[in-house]
Amino acid sequence: ETGVTQTPRHLVMGMTNKKSLKCEQHLGHNAMYWYKQSAKKPLELMFVYNFKEQTENNSVPSRFSPECPNSSHLFLHLHTLQPEDSALYLCASSQDDNYEQYFGPGTRLTVT
Amino acid sequence: GEDVEQSLFLSVREGDSSVINCTYTDSSSTYLYWYKQEPGAGLQLLTYIFSNMDMKQDQRLTVLLNKKDKHLSLRIADTQTGDSAIYFCAVLSSGNTPLVFGKGTRLSVIA
Repeated sequence: ETGVTQTPRHLVMGMTNKKSLKCEQHLGHNAMYWYKQSAKKPLELMFVYNFKEQTENNSVPSRFSPECPNSSHLFLHLHTLQPEDSALYLCASSQDDNYEQYFGPGTRLTVT
Repeated sequence: GEDVEQSLFLSVREGDSSVINCTYTDSSSTYLYWYKQEPGAGLQLLTYIFSNMDMKQDQRLTVLLNKKDKHLSLRIADTQTGDSAIYFCAVLSSGNTPLVFGKGTRLSVIA
């Protein structure tokens, strides 16, 4: 048990669907992250939240919309995705944004 | 910005030592991490080293840091089949910058 959970673990969605990924951390951390892991590419940081405030947005397309209602929960809302958005989406948390990060198991997303 | 490089594949025999290498470019890097990713799972923090250290040992794992050459390595002693996974090097630079990950090294352990 890593202390960071993600749901769902697998998601298949069409390009016109709207879905949300959920991340929850039970470690008392105050920073949370979304990463995208595609085949044969380095891990890509998408968003960073520190104390519920977004501190990083790495030029992510607007079809990805993050939400951080509190320091324990992080969502990634998805709409009108493209097939190239198919990837493993990893959530992580840390105590402040410059400490080691602990990762969830990821959501394997397939866009058809 | 920071650039982190790793070789993509490594194959070793069970019982041998594995050495996974990583190079980085930012000399102001402060924390350096090794993560392990098993099939179908997220990244698990294995170990980390501060930039003011040269070596850190934790059971079968030994991390070596050569700051002059900006080279980090992870040695796994007595490699087991359960060590088969992808190993990611990640580097944190000074200041308010996020972790930068390498592409990962896929370690295959042959019985």
